[in-house]
Amino acid sequence: DAGITQSPRYKITETGRQVTLMCHQTWSHSYMFWYRQDLGHGLRLIYYSAAADITDKGEVSDGYVVSRSKTENFPLTLESATRSQTSVYFCASSDSGGGTDTQYFGPGTRLTVL
Amino acid sequence: AQSVAQPEDQVNVAEGNPLTVKCTYSVSGNPYLFWYVQYPNRGLQFLLKYITGDNLVKGSYGFEAEFNKSQTSFHLKKPSALVSDSALYFCAVRGFAGTYKYIFGTGTRLKVLA
Repeated sequence: DAGITQSPRYKITETGRQVTLMCHQTWSHSYMFWYRQDLGHGLRLIYYSAAADITDKGEVSDGYVVSRSKTENFPLTLESATRSQTSVYFCASSDSGGGTDTQYFGPGTRLTVL
Repeated sequence: AQSVAQPEDQVNVAEGNPLTVKCTYSVSGNPYLFWYVQYPNRGLQFLLKYITGDNLVKGSYGFEAEFNKSQTSFHLKKPSALVSDSALYFCAVRGFAGTYKYIFGTGTRLKVLA
């Protein structure tokens, strides 16, 4: 049971390049989330998805794009990377998304934008 | 707007002593409250949650949390700390009002000294 995986685990890119971070879960959870973790800010929600083809913005969505054509995958794309997007990115899923449900987190992707 | 505050960046406690990690929140309506733990280079792991019912919630690894509505707090506690409890702890809240946007605190680093 692989659970929730993220790839790559580490990525270095340059300003202006497009980058896609992958997230895959094997539980068929309805809800998936993308967060970024920065010192002093904790985790901040970038985007979430209630189901395939249903996505909504979080508090820090500018500069990011998501898609969800399949329930198990939720890629996050940085359209034109900036240094301020250097961060650790976490994907999470939950089986219904309602506030009663636990989120399960992936191992994270550490992204450095030079 | 909903928010979460973890007033202490770091908490130090001796092994065997009780520990408390503080969390206060602000949310419209009844809150859904969570505690997660993060070990180095790992994703977050669920510890416990409060949805409704008893104010004292028991969770994984001997942790518990007390919901106090009048003080809008949800402090994490453990009667006897272990060195292996040393990690980063996050409090999170989700308001009931039809949104799945979880808000996380900035995290508290717990250091248990042998």
